[in-house]
Amino acid sequence: EVQLMESGGGLVKPGGSLRLSCAASGFTLGSYTMTWLRQAPGKSLEWIASINSRSTYIYYTDSVRGRFTISRDNAKNSLFLQMDSLRVEDMAVYYCARDSSGYKMAAIDYWGQGTLVTVSS
Amino acid sequence: DIQMTQSPSSVSASVGDRVTITCRASQDIATWLSWYQQKPGRAPQLVIFAASSLESGVPSRFSGSGSGTDFTLTISSLQPEDFATYYCQQAKSFPRTFGGGTKVEI
Repeated sequence: EVQLMESGGGLVKPGGSLRLSCAASGFTLGSYTMTWLRQAPGKSLEWIASINSRSTYIYYTDSVRGRFTISRDNAKNSLFLQMDSLRVEDMAVYYCARDSSGYKMAAIDYWGQGTLVTVSS
Repeated sequence: DIQMTQSPSSVSASVGDRVTITCRASQDIATWLSWYQQKPGRAPQLVIFAASSLESGVPSRFSGSGSGTDFTLTISSLQPEDFATYYCQQAKSFPRTFGGGTKVEI
């Protein structure tokens, strides 16, 4: 069974940092592009960043580029999101997710349960 | 960036009703379109991929159609467990973008 389990969320002051982790199980992490998304309270979903299987291609949304860093350790079945210079507007539930391969045309076929990041002084 | 516009933002319906949600892309995305269902306090779940293909385990009352810029998600006979918020998402290019969501409620 495919499972994604985020950790590392919590309360941080504006300008602070957090490192989110995502533990993957039930599939070979190294075969998939992985993605972080977020959802602010009462808002739609927002894609943040994606990293391909070998970490050779990395993409960010404009609002986090230069502040957030996505990375992965395939040997440890883990995905990470280093978040620096956090802003109040970064407050959201953060989801780790798997991009499907091949015929599913990059649909996100598995999501973690989410971890809440609160940015407040 | 490709903008995704969903309508309506909410729909009131009853069990057994047919519900149709539309999603429009600001440029041609072929069939790089997915639909997700999200219930309160839960992570989204994939319903439809490649615009019209049903994800494994999703009931056949769900269907998707469209290509290019205009897409629809249809629930043929609404069931109690279908009351949720639905999102479309394009995967034609980065940044991936989502529609604003459609809340299906009683």
